[in-house]
Amino acid sequence: LAKTTQPISMDSYEGQEVNITCSHNNIATNDYITWYQQFPSQGPRFIIQGYKTKVTNEVASLFIPADRKSSTLSLPRVSLSDTAVYYCLVGSTGGGNKLTFGTGTQLKVEL
Amino acid sequence: NAGVTQTPKFQVLKTGQSMTLQCAQDMNHEYMSWYRQDPGMGLRLIHYSVGAGITDQGEVPNGYNVSRSTTEDFPLRLLSAAPSQTSVYFCASSRGGGLAKNIQYFGAGTRLSVL
Repeated sequence: LAKTTQPISMDSYEGQEVNITCSHNNIATNDYITWYQQFPSQGPRFIIQGYKTKVTNEVASLFIPADRKSSTLSLPRVSLSDTAVYYCLVGSTGGGNKLTFGTGTQLKVEL
Repeated sequence: NAGVTQTPKFQVLKTGQSMTLQCAQDMNHEYMSWYRQDPGMGLRLIHYSVGAGITDQGEVPNGYNVSRSTTEDFPLRLLSAAPSQTSVYFCASSRGGGLAKNIQYFGAGTRLSVL
């Protein structure tokens, strides 16, 4: 299983761009990288997924360097409602459905 | 569209008691899975199913049983609860092709305390 490491917490202000990095040094060839958002008393919710290079959707971007040993979730112009815990997930698409969630990064956005 | 529904939302058990956590999805997803979430830790996979009648173990399967008789339902059974099983449990469903590759849709969770 890939081991993942994330910062425990980050603080930001409304309107700023936030970048959260996840380290996954022993990522396997078949592993995908996925980020989830979780609010208190709710289940995680999908944000974005990638395999390599850069992926962008309507809420975030995901940057993955060529060696894939880390990934960075970028949230543009955050608002108070982006205050949540963000998890990276690294998992294999091969046999066994092995996956590892990071310990999560608590993002706090202030005015 | 209800998505993934978990019941109950809260439960308190005494050591040694048994119970079943219910999970149902209405998205016709092939995959269903159970996770536990403990303070300071990420979600850890307990058991998962790739279709009706097929289940497999995840990272932390000990003390839990599952079965999947229908596409919609995937109950998690604790046969003899222990304090170490105090946690928040999440059920998720996703399309086929791999847990890690497809978007997982999570329920709201069951908060379980074992005294």
